[in-house]
Amino acid sequence: DIVMTQSPDSLAVSLGERATLNCRSSQSVLYSFNNKNSIAWYQQKPGQPPKLLIYWASAPFSGVPDRFSGSGSGTDFTLTISNLQAEDVAVYYCQQYYTTPYTFGQGTKLEIK
Amino acid sequence: QVQLVQSGAEVKKPGSSVKVSCKASAGTFSSYPISWVRQAPGQGLEWMGRIIPILGTVNYALKFQGRVTITADESTGTAYMELSSLRSEDTALYYCARDHHGDSRYWGQGTLVTVSS
Repeated sequence: DIVMTQSPDSLAVSLGERATLNCRSSQSVLYSFNNKNSIAWYQQKPGQPPKLLIYWASAPFSGVPDRFSGSGSGTDFTLTISNLQAEDVAVYYCQQYYTTPYTFGQGTKLEIK
Repeated sequence: QVQLVQSGAEVKKPGSSVKVSCKASAGTFSSYPISWVRQAPGQGLEWMGRIIPILGTVNYALKFQGRVTITADESTGTAYMELSSLRSEDTALYYCARDHHGDSRYWGQGTLVTVSS
């Protein structure tokens, strides 16, 4: 199985500042068909199901605020939240969907400093 | 707007089975994979398996192979996840999600399964 490792486990950032969340895959997740990385980012707030933010490592899902952006290549990926808002407090998960089983990282808990 | 509506909470005895349903409200149910993901209390997300209804193909995580069965009824737009030989560690919220290429774009509300004697 592909192992997904997120860092840090928790992060506290001031309102209006930038949050940087990292995700590393144990092997390449580059999908040769379209030359894109099979990485998704999800946001989960307490008592709610996860919500897709980013797919193909950098493509924003419909309706996601543009302060959320994804980047990365190879085995290292980043979710950046610019201009942090109070409603962004949540746990964020990365996932690889290059091959089954589609594995998740352990999550990064984002809080307000 | 795609909505996935799951069946209600269940309380089961150890050793028994549970079957959770996931009904799609709209859209082309058969064309998109449905994944099942679980989340134990206070823990992260764990992918269990998926089905592509139009092809009938199913993939399971090795951890659950032999205990989980994922099926789909195209006529009603409903997917099912059955987990057998339940143990206390299976107590969790079980989610279904409609995938696109593997990214889960739409999620059900979750079904709490509690395993307790």
